[in-house]
Amino acid sequence: GEDVEQSLFLSVREGDSSVINCTYTDSSSTYLYWYKQEPGAGLQLLTYIFSNMDMKQDQRLTVLLNKKDKHLSLRIADTQTGDSAIYFCAENSGGSNYKLTFGKGTLLTVNP
Amino acid sequence: NAGVTQTPKFQVLKTGQSMTLQCAQDMNHEYMSWYRQDPGMGLRLIHYSVGAGITDQGEVPNGYNVSRSTTEDFPLRLLSAAPSQTSVYFCASHRGGSLGVYGYTFGSGTRLTVV
Repeated sequence: GEDVEQSLFLSVREGDSSVINCTYTDSSSTYLYWYKQEPGAGLQLLTYIFSNMDMKQDQRLTVLLNKKDKHLSLRIADTQTGDSAIYFCAENSGGSNYKLTFGKGTLLTVNP
Repeated sequence: NAGVTQTPKFQVLKTGQSMTLQCAQDMNHEYMSWYRQDPGMGLRLIHYSVGAGITDQGEVPNGYNVSRSTTEDFPLRLLSAAPSQTSVYFCASHRGGSLGVYGYTFGSGTRLTVV
């Protein structure tokens, strides 16, 4: 079945770059997403990448996709304390129109 | 524009009690889903709906019922609450067709504790 794996924790210093990694198993996914969850809040869509893209940049965010290795990463440049949150990688399993398969989430802690 | 609204935000139930978690969206989205979030487990799909009158099971449907009588509302019913249903529940919606570039819009969640 489909599976999405992420490391659970990442700690960085303010101003540094953060890189959150994700691997997935379903090669038929068409979209891959990064969601951010702040404490006590719902999930907020940060960015997405279509499966035929290698890279997508959006201000401080860079998404890299290696489809051969089924590896997705999210780089946050100039990380700020407000970036502290849980980041979820998700993919639409089997190209589904309704189901997202989520990783367990990476807790990013930004230290001043 | 409220987006996806969930009520209540917090709830404590006794084992065996029933209750309904409410979810409403004002974006005229066709697709709605319920996920539960457990520590170290990510989010898992409980039930989903692709339009009014149409619902189907996700990966963890046991102990839950849903109905979709209107486009706007998608309530989740716990028939007889069990401690294993202690979780944070998220409702989500999207406009239909491909998940595409917008993905799902999530509500702020309901934190449920079953004692």
